[in-house]
Amino acid sequence: DSGVTQTPKHLITATGQRVTLRCSPRSGDLSVYWYQQSLDQGLQFLIQYYNGEERAKGNILERFSAQQFPDLHSELNLSSLELGDSALYFCASSRQGEEQFFGPGTRLTVL
Amino acid sequence: AQSVTQPDIHITVSEGASLELRCNYSYGATPYLFWYVQSPGQGLQLLLKYFSGDTLVQGIKGFEAEFKRSQSSFNLRKPSVHWSDAAEYFCAVGLTGGSYIPTFGRGTSLIVHP
Repeated sequence: DSGVTQTPKHLITATGQRVTLRCSPRSGDLSVYWYQQSLDQGLQFLIQYYNGEERAKGNILERFSAQQFPDLHSELNLSSLELGDSALYFCASSRQGEEQFFGPGTRLTVL
Repeated sequence: AQSVTQPDIHITVSEGASLELRCNYSYGATPYLFWYVQSPGQGLQLLLKYFSGDTLVQGIKGFEAEFKRSQSSFNLRKPSVHWSDAAEYFCAVGLTGGSYIPTFGRGTSLIVHP
């Protein structure tokens, strides 16, 4: 158990819909990272937040957004969903930045 | 830009045999190097990491990795594989200093035969 929690574990929705994925980092970790894992793209970095502020952006689509709240939990919002958005979404957290601890992931299925 | 190559998509070994998973990186300086393991339906778990110092790094579950600067490699090894080691293994490289965002390889799937 990494100490990072993610909800929900599974999410099934339809194209065009909007969903929110939630992540709670390890106690004391200020950084939260979001990744997308798919068979064709591998593990792709989406976005990083540090103590409530956006720190770095990766291959995140404009339809996707994230935020980190004062209690340090983070949410990833995915809108206008497409079939190709079906993937595993991981959250990771870190304290100093070098070592990341991953949550169990949310499996998103878009039908 | 940094990149990570794991040349083997799948590797099959017999239980009790030795294992070496290859990882090559492309980066101008010495980066941070990591190996993660992902069991089916699970998140990624850190096996070991290299930041500096001794180039032979010991990790959890009996794994080790050796950083070879001349070959830009960070191969993962285990002397005797157990059936429970069957999983996906990811090598990752991160920049030293500044905002740390690792780049992950595509992964190597380890299959263990009894």
